[in-house]
Amino acid sequence: GAGVSQSPSNKVTEKGKDVELRCDPISGHTALYWYRQRLGQGLEFLIYFQGNSAPDKSGLPSDRFSAERTGESVSTLTIQRTQQEDSAVYLCASSSWSTRGGELFFGEGSRLTVL
Amino acid sequence: SQQGEEDPQALSIQEGENATMNCSYKTSINNLQWYRQNSGRGLVHLILIRSNEREKHSGRLRVTLDTSKKSSSLLITASRAADTASYFCATDSGSEKLVFGKGTKLTVNP
Repeated sequence: GAGVSQSPSNKVTEKGKDVELRCDPISGHTALYWYRQRLGQGLEFLIYFQGNSAPDKSGLPSDRFSAERTGESVSTLTIQRTQQEDSAVYLCASSSWSTRGGELFFGEGSRLTVL
Repeated sequence: SQQGEEDPQALSIQEGENATMNCSYKTSINNLQWYRQNSGRGLVHLILIRSNEREKHSGRLRVTLDTSKKSSSLLITASRAADTASYFCATDSGSEKLVFGKGTKLTVNP
């Protein structure tokens, strides 16, 4: 597709379960970002990929959070043993190397609700 | 940690009026960007201003940057109901990630 695609768009899970969130960036975009947005709040940086490498994982809140990227394309954010405070919208964005330090293209987000 | 901080947190105006939102930041930057987010949607890039620029225009948008005061403003002229959204500033300090503020929620009343 032409834009950044995220799935699922909505996920409701029980506390303690694991969840996987997927991001398909714009084709050819080398950089990929994950942000978290709690209700009514700004964006909290989680992790950044350049190609398949993650030079900056500083925003991951705990060791329950992990992310990977394969084929310089799809990325998966995994949250293990979910807690209620993990409830948020998880936003993925991508950008091209040529616009390094420039515009990010965002997906519509995956809304996670932990009961 | 938050780098950009927008104010006001919320702004309500009538259609046709101008809307001004401000952003302050703490460390030196390469560029500052403004994004818009409609309720329940992703963010859309509006405009980027580099650290060596002072003012930039795009349609009804005007952005200023004062690096000495570490602040930026976004002006939307002749606002429309469709401009109702949250607006975020984001700073690039050369660390490969954009750091976003908490946003200004703009409501334009018809």
